[in-house]
Amino acid sequence: AQTVTQSQPEMSVQEAETVTLSCTYDTSESNYYLFWYKQPPSRQMILVIRQEAYKQQNATENRFSVNFQKAAKSFSLKISDSQLGDTAMYFCAFMKVPGSQGNLIFGKGTKLSVKP
Amino acid sequence: NAGVMQNPRHLVRRRGQEARLRCSPMKGHSHVYWYRQLPEEGLKFMVYLQKENIIDESGMPKERFSAEFPKEGPSILRIQQVVRGDSAAYFCASSPKGLAGTGEQYFGPGTRLTVT
Repeated sequence: AQTVTQSQPEMSVQEAETVTLSCTYDTSESNYYLFWYKQPPSRQMILVIRQEAYKQQNATENRFSVNFQKAAKSFSLKISDSQLGDTAMYFCAFMKVPGSQGNLIFGKGTKLSVKP
Repeated sequence: NAGVMQNPRHLVRRRGQEARLRCSPMKGHSHVYWYRQLPEEGLKFMVYLQKENIIDESGMPKERFSAEFPKEGPSILRIQQVVRGDSAAYFCASSPKGLAGTGEQYFGPGTRLTVT
């Protein structure tokens, strides 16, 4: 069975600085998707970034980028130029490539606080 | 294009009552997923449905819980004879192609169920 581990329950960063959130996962699959979701105080789940395991290039979305290390089964999220609106819970998630199961497996989350 | 809609946003039930949670997927999406989030935890998959079919219910408790996604109308997650341990946030997500898609799921705002 697949598992997702986020080892940092809480982190804080000063506004405009850079922060990296860690995620590791365990799977025997060779092809899969990885995601980072953001959950602000409103509790709405928002997709931040997505990575396909067969792609070596790391995904980027504006200030958000990932460091995907397939051999190490590591998928960290880097937030550059942190903004107050980035304050939220961040969840790492895994999905087998659609064709077998369609559900996401989530880690327990990292609570990020951006301080002015 | 309206996002995934869930209602009610908050639901209070006494022990032993029934809870019905509704989810309307995004327009054009025919695949629906239900997740449960306990306090201080990540989301846990419950069930995956297409119109009139349950595709994967491996995360559903064996008793008291059921889900449907009829040809017309929203998807319904039904919890019979609720107990205090059912208190949680229940999230619905939808996707356009499910198992043949890109893995991206779009989440609703969730229903917070409180059992007194």
